[in-house]
Amino acid sequence: GAGVSQTPSNKVTEKGKYVELRCDPISGHTALYWYRQSLGQGPEFLIYFQGTGAADDSGLPNDRFFAVRPEGSVSTLKIQRTERGDSAVYLCASSLNPAGEGEQYFGPGTRLTVT
Amino acid sequence: GNSVTQMEGPVTLSEEAFLTINCTYTATGYPSLFWYVQYPGEGLQLLLKATKADDKGSNKGFEATYRKETTSFHLEKGSVQVSDSAVYFCALFNTNAGKSTFGDGTTLTVKP
Repeated sequence: GAGVSQTPSNKVTEKGKYVELRCDPISGHTALYWYRQSLGQGPEFLIYFQGTGAADDSGLPNDRFFAVRPEGSVSTLKIQRTERGDSAVYLCASSLNPAGEGEQYFGPGTRLTVT
Repeated sequence: GNSVTQMEGPVTLSEEAFLTINCTYTATGYPSLFWYVQYPGEGLQLLLKATKADDKGSNKGFEATYRKETTSFHLEKGSVQVSDSAVYFCALFNTNAGKSTFGDGTTLTVKP
């Protein structure tokens, strides 16, 4: 079956612009996660959705970052007034049962470059 | 809080050599433990997992045992292949927190 998909695969934007990153999870997966991965580091947690609601957004670095999942499926990560430090690979993952064993399925990521 | 510490890389081995990548963790409660692999140009893939103490996860010749007494989950393979060249990430999932914590990854290069 189809895995987690993310679009775009690459995004180059100018400092100060607004960007949206999209994640399409595996069908039927109720939990959805966003992570950010900088070069040479492991994924860093940003936000976790259970259904339509954000169950934990403690990883969002500041109020320029926001994410939604209005129908409990596709999610969009939104970054306002982008800064060069936002450059990273943004990973999305989904999970069938968030209260279970924690096995997550990752998308290929969106590489964001802020110039 | 939760944290994962991985052996620093890069690691370079010859084909058929024995591999160990160390991983230790700090967590509240009883987390599940994972190894993920990222092949060049690809996304993160689950390699193996263990959900409770003394469990052994295994896949593609790789193994790791959940050691609660030493808070470790070291990855091993008896005979590596060139195709095992990738970045390996150790991670824990804490059900209470509902999210994963990752190590910084270890890059493995296997030379023929």
